[in-house]
Amino acid sequence: KAGVTQTPRYLIKTRGQQVTLSCSPISGHRSVSWYQQTPGQGLQFLFEYFSETQRNKGNFPGRFSGRQFSNSRSEMNVSTLELGDSALYLCASSMGPAGETQYFGPGTRLLVL
Amino acid sequence: DAKTTQPTSMDCAEGRAANLPCNHSTISGNEYVYWYRQIHSQGPQYIIHGLKNNETNEMASLIITEDRKSSTLILPHATLRDTAVYYCIVRDNLYNQGGKLIFGQGTELSVKP
Repeated sequence: KAGVTQTPRYLIKTRGQQVTLSCSPISGHRSVSWYQQTPGQGLQFLFEYFSETQRNKGNFPGRFSGRQFSNSRSEMNVSTLELGDSALYLCASSMGPAGETQYFGPGTRLLVL
Repeated sequence: DAKTTQPTSMDCAEGRAANLPCNHSTISGNEYVYWYRQIHSQGPQYIIHGLKNNETNEMASLIITEDRKSSTLILPHATLRDTAVYYCIVRDNLYNQGGKLIFGQGTELSVKP
């Protein structure tokens, strides 16, 4: 079974731009979570989606948003990029919303200049 | 905040068992212990999880103390490819907890020839 895929793998943007990252979960998985990893803050939870609904949200500004489609694929968007948004963005999928084991994708590395 | 405490770093000789400790003294009855590892710049990889009993799979063994306040992840025959940051996470598997994983700083394991 194919794992979690994320596109693009690498991205360079400039301050003020916006970016959209994509995540395709493992086949049959309906829950998708997003995380941000930076050297200073480590791995931090962004949000979680299940059945196209956001169920949980971490402590991030409103510039960070996401959505989930009917096929469980998910996107996250960051608007008005800041230098501090440079990070590895990770997506994880699980079977359902009840805290089943999450499996992570390879991540998208975003560099904001 | 993370509910676990792990040593910052550990060394292990190749071919020997690597024993990674984790303290989770405030763990509640519903919470599971999960272990993930992250090899440099890749997405975290699920290793194993358990509630009360010791668990073993093809990657590792998880030993949980009887009072559940600490656990040890055992890699029976460490190889150079096991060099990674290992994260111990406690989480509730109930529906209302959803997909939020709270990562601490983890243990950086270096396997040396």
